[in-house]
Amino acid sequence: EAQVTQNPRYLITVTGKKLTVTCSQNMNHEYMSWYRQDPGLGLRQIYYSMNVEVTDKGDVPEGYKVSRKEKRNFPLILESPSPNQTSLYFCATSRSGSPGANVLTFGAGSRLTVL
Amino acid sequence: RKEVEQDPGPFNVPEGATVAFNCTYSNSASQSFFWYRQDCRKEPKLLMSVYSSGNEDGRFTAQLNRASQYISLLIRDSKLSDSATYLCVPYSGGYNKLIFGAGTRLAVHP
Repeated sequence: EAQVTQNPRYLITVTGKKLTVTCSQNMNHEYMSWYRQDPGLGLRQIYYSMNVEVTDKGDVPEGYKVSRKEKRNFPLILESPSPNQTSLYFCATSRSGSPGANVLTFGAGSRLTVL
Repeated sequence: RKEVEQDPGPFNVPEGATVAFNCTYSNSASQSFFWYRQDCRKEPKLLMSVYSSGNEDGRFTAQLNRASQYISLLIRDSKLSDSATYLCVPYSGGYNKLIFGAGTRLAVHP
């Protein structure tokens, strides 16, 4: 079954404690991306990756890091989380490098609370 | 002006009703459009793609008006299971140019 798996699904943490949200896909997709979703706002892109070792900033990259060492994995790293990073996070993938031509498949989401 | 504007709703309609949402976009270079459906606190899922003037899939019809820069989604014969938030997503090219609207919430009641 085609899947995008995110972990953890729910996390409560404290300011400054480094955390990583993992994203793994089994569809051999080249393109992977991270979004955050906040009430009243649309999904906003944090980072995206065209392929292994190729990453770039989205619209709201501040406070986040990513890496793409393997095609299937695209972890999101919060080196020093702050309360304004409390949000619902989604990982998404698509088959080609052009999201407009292909369907974005989303993970189930990770709800992060930073106290 | 926001890049994508949607009426947040909620649109409360009875089963069987026809309901339409509009989405306005500011980037005239938008080439194609997507409607995603998102159930409460779950991941968005693609409902429909629009590459020309419109698209129809069963009870769902999307119509694009490039001159006025809006796209609409019409749902006929609403079902309880249609209750969700509908996200409008214009695409203007490039690898990070999917702009998600904040969504319109639909609540279908018996």
